[in-house]
This record gives sequence, C-alpha cells and structure tokens, in this order.
Amino acid sequence: GQQVMQIPQYQHVQEGEDFTTYCNSSTTLSNIQWYKQRPGGHPVFLIQLVKSGEVKKQKRLTFQFGEAKKNSSLHITATQTTDVGTYFCAGVPSQKLVFGQGTRLTINP
Amino acid sequence: NAGVTQTPKFQVLKTGQSMTLQCAQDMNHEYMSWYRQDPGMGLRLIHYSVGAGITDQGEVPNGYNVSRSTTEDFPLRLLSAAPSQTSVYFCASSQSSGTEGETQYFGPGTRLLVL
Repeated sequence: GQQVMQIPQYQHVQEGEDFTTYCNSSTTLSNIQWYKQRPGGHPVFLIQLVKSGEVKKQKRLTFQFGEAKKNSSLHITATQTTDVGTYFCAGVPSQKLVFGQGTRLTINP
Repeated sequence: NAGVTQTPKFQVLKTGQSMTLQCAQDMNHEYMSWYRQDPGMGLRLIHYSVGAGITDQGEVPNGYNVSRSTTEDFPLRLLSAAPSQTSVYFCASSQSSGTEGETQYFGPGTRLLVL
C-alpha cells in the first residue's frame, strides 16, 4: 500500500493566493524529493531535501523537511497561473522510492 | 542528449491484444523503472531494473513483463491487455536506484486505452 501520503488531493485557489501541500510517512525518510507535473506533461524534478528541519526556497516556492524526517511540505506564495499542475513528493520509506498521490493545483485567474 | 524517450505516445488496444511500450535513455543511467499513473493514485511502480540483465517487481507488476538486455532500453510488455490497464505509463531513469535521492528523469509518457 501507499507508504507516502500526500494531502490534499485537489486544491483550487484564486490567483495570488497561497498554496500548501503536505507529505507524510509513517517511517523515517532518508530524503524527500518534490516533482511538478504540468497538465498533459511528465513529472519534472524540483528539489531534494536531506537534512532534518531543512528549508529550501526557489523563488516563491518554499520546501520544508520535518525534524523527524517523516513529513514535508511545499508552500507556494502568491500563486500564478504558471503554477498550475500536480505536485508530487517522493521518498524512500523502505528500500524503494515511493511517490505520494500528488496534489493537483488549479488556479482561477 | 534526448534524455528519456517513449513510444508510442498514444495507443488504443482491444482486450486480449498484446503490445510493447518502448523506453530508451541516452544518459548511461543504470536504474530504469516503469510507472503507471491513474487519477487519485499517483505514480505506482510497475517494474524496475538496476542494470542490464537485472529486473524486479514493483508495487503493481501483474499483467506486465519487462526485460533489460542493454543499459539504454527497458521495454514494457502487456501480454494480454485488459481494460484495467488503461492508464498513462511513464518510464524513468536515474544514476542509481533512487534510494539515495537520485533525481528521476521521466519520459513524456504513453497514454494507453484498452477497450
């Protein structure tokens, strides 16, 4: 079964609003990766977090790795229409890379 | 570099037909994998390979076969297609197994409809 859980499954926001997706694992993860998939496209690597409590930023995107290395979040400040897509986290809870179910972000311009 | 390529982009099959989804990469990556993507289910691992001649099952292997005769190619075979195999299929590759955080490079996907 799915060992890396991601919520919410869907999120619709007005352009300019913030957006956050959360990733949780029941076991400690050695690292967490985040991917973005544009509509009709394929997943593209965004970032990797390795250290406990790590925070990384890419322009309006902020990625966090929990202190216990069991959860992670992606926060987008002031969304733009180019942020539309599905965001996936991926981690290794037990020997294999497992993807979360993804959060599909839609934006009302 | 072309990266990861997949063919065909679209395919319609009748129940019981067989076909092979092609995947190739030109990055000399040892690790290759196949995922299927269904609404609400995310990306589920079908089969993977850690190098030429070595393959193993993922989370949802039933109904699919793979082989890895070369480093570059990793075809996925559907021996007798079923409607439940209607999905989008992605091939991915990385430097190694992905367990140490290696970036996964995805192909453009194959959209399969089984009637």
